[in-house]
Amino acid sequence: AQSVSQHNHHVILSEAASLELGCNYSYGGTVNLFWYVQYPGQHLQLLLKYFSGDPLVKGIKGFEAEFIKSKFSFNLRKPSVQWSDTAEYFCAVIAYSSASKIIFGSGTRLSIRP
Amino acid sequence: KAGVTQTPRYLIKTRGQQVTLSCSPISGHRSVSWYQQTPGQGLQFLFEYFSETQRNKGNFPGRFSGRQFSNSRSEMNVSTLELGDSALYLCASSAGTSGRAGVYEQFFGPGTRLTVL
Repeated sequence: AQSVSQHNHHVILSEAASLELGCNYSYGGTVNLFWYVQYPGQHLQLLLKYFSGDPLVKGIKGFEAEFIKSKFSFNLRKPSVQWSDTAEYFCAVIAYSSASKIIFGSGTRLSIRP
Repeated sequence: KAGVTQTPRYLIKTRGQQVTLSCSPISGHRSVSWYQQTPGQGLQFLFEYFSETQRNKGNFPGRFSGRQFSNSRSEMNVSTLELGDSALYLCASSAGTSGRAGVYEQFFGPGTRLTVL
């Protein structure tokens, strides 16, 4: 069965620090990958997505993620975080199969110290 | 385009009661998916409806059910509520249902926060 692992449950950083949130999935076939963000009191919104092509994907607000197929990973990065990046981040995977459903990781809570 | 709307936004029920949540997808979207979000479990997939048919189902007991109407609006019902059903219930809509023909981005609503006492 497919699964998505986000090993960091809570990350605390200072402003201007660099960010990398890990995401690993288990599925041997073709996948489509997403990062969603949920700001406090707001609904889930898409940060970026990978469908095919360039494995380095750029999203909104300066975020990017790299799909490394050999490592089954899709880590989220940002070179310099801001206090407004405080949120919960979810990695998600859809396997390219006949009856696909999106599987979410358990989420990583990011707290930024001003 | 208006986003995904969910009603009500907040609900308080007692154990044993039943509840119905509603979701209106983005205009033109035919797929609606439901998720349960809790602090310990993250987002867990409940089910997906496309063109009034259930296409996918997660690992939830039969107390959780749903349906979709011809205008793509969807309802989710939970019968015989338990304390553990307290959660944020999210609805997401997409233009199609993901599979070999393609993958569709999901757009989420604000959720309905259900508290079971």
